[in-house]
This record gives sequence, structure tokens and C-alpha cells, in this order.
Amino acid sequence: EPEVTQTPSHQVTQMGQEVILRCVPISNHLYFYWYRQILGQKVEFLVSFYNNEISEKSEIFDDQFSVERPDGSNFTLKIRSTKLEDSAMYFCASSDEQGAEKLFFGSGTQLSVL
Amino acid sequence: GNSVTQMEGPVTLSEEAFLTINCTYTATGYPSLFWYVQYPGEGLQLLLKATKADDKGSNKGFEATYRKETTSFHLEKGSVQVSDSAVYFCALMKTSYDKVIFGPGTSLSVIP
Repeated sequence: EPEVTQTPSHQVTQMGQEVILRCVPISNHLYFYWYRQILGQKVEFLVSFYNNEISEKSEIFDDQFSVERPDGSNFTLKIRSTKLEDSAMYFCASSDEQGAEKLFFGSGTQLSVL
Repeated sequence: GNSVTQMEGPVTLSEEAFLTINCTYTATGYPSLFWYVQYPGEGLQLLLKATKADDKGSNKGFEATYRKETTSFHLEKGSVQVSDSAVYFCALMKTSYDKVIFGPGTSLSVIP
């Protein structure tokens, strides 16, 4: 069965450093998403991406965040200067059409900012 | 704004026990409602869904009924198995063009 792959599974970084979280969506999917879950809190929407541009972003997704689909297969989330409060599990998701019924999630990257 | 609330976990049950995980939502209009499950070390997977009032979603022995009058979508299973141990997320989506809004998740552990 096709799956969304995220790497690394765990990333540790120092505050102020840049991190890039990587995702390989399912190959024929067109819609891409990032969500995050701070420990013990709810899963929060960050950004959706379609047709090589951001289609929606949350208030969490400020200027420190960016997304890119550099080569037609990878979908990355960059945090330019990490803060302690960025520590969370980050989930990538993709779908071939709009709507939650067709969303496939990766297993997540646990980001720890020290 | 739109939000989802779930019962606090963790929940620990013996095998074959009855499971209920409560979920209530706040939203305008008629959102679609979902339950996602996350097994250890894996991503979120759609477990079941309901798109209108009084719909019942079901899958793998789990059921949930969309109750608009109580704004609830409680997850139930008559007889849990050890393999059901996972984190369960209630979620809503206002329209098919909208993002998914998740609850905080409820961890379930089933012991033999």
C-alpha cells in the first residue's frame, strides 16, 4: 500500500538553528499538508499546498516557516530559526483530491528544540 | 471558532470490554466528522466518518453516530482487542475544501 514517508523520525536541534523536515508524499497526490502536535495537545493545521503554492496557512505558520516542493517528489517544511515552543511532532499528509476522507498521513517527525 | 473536545486519557481496558470515547464539537453549519487512529510508530489513519446528522460511521467493529442535537460523535466498540491499543483522534471538517480540525487524542491501552 502506498504511504507517506517522513524523515527523520526524530530531530534534535539547538534554539535558533534552522531545520528542514522532509516528506515524500504518495506519488500521484496533488494536495499536501503539514500538521503538528505539541505534546499533550491537539493536532494543529499548519499549511496546505497545491499547484506549487500555499493554498491556506494557519496563524501558527508565520514568517519563520516555509514549505517547498523542490523536485516534484519531496515536500519540505523549513523552520528558519527554531524556538523552544516549536518542539512538537510534525505530520505530513497528502491526498489526490480535496477532503479529509482521502488524506494519508506520515508517521511524523518528532522535533526537539533545546 | 470550530473545535473538537475529547475525553481525557489514557484509557485502559481489559480485552473484550466495551469501549466509549466521548467526542463533542463546536462548529457552524454541518461539518463532516471523523475518527482517526494512530497505532504505535505509524501515521494517522482514517477509521470512520459521517457527513450528516444521524449518519453512523463504522469500521473494524467501531461505530460512531453523528448527533447534531448534542453536537457529539462518540466512538464505541463492543469488544476491544489488544490490537486496538492506539491513540484515537476525533476530527471535523467544515467543507470538503477546508482543513481538518483535530481533537487532542485519547490514548487507549487494552490489556489481555
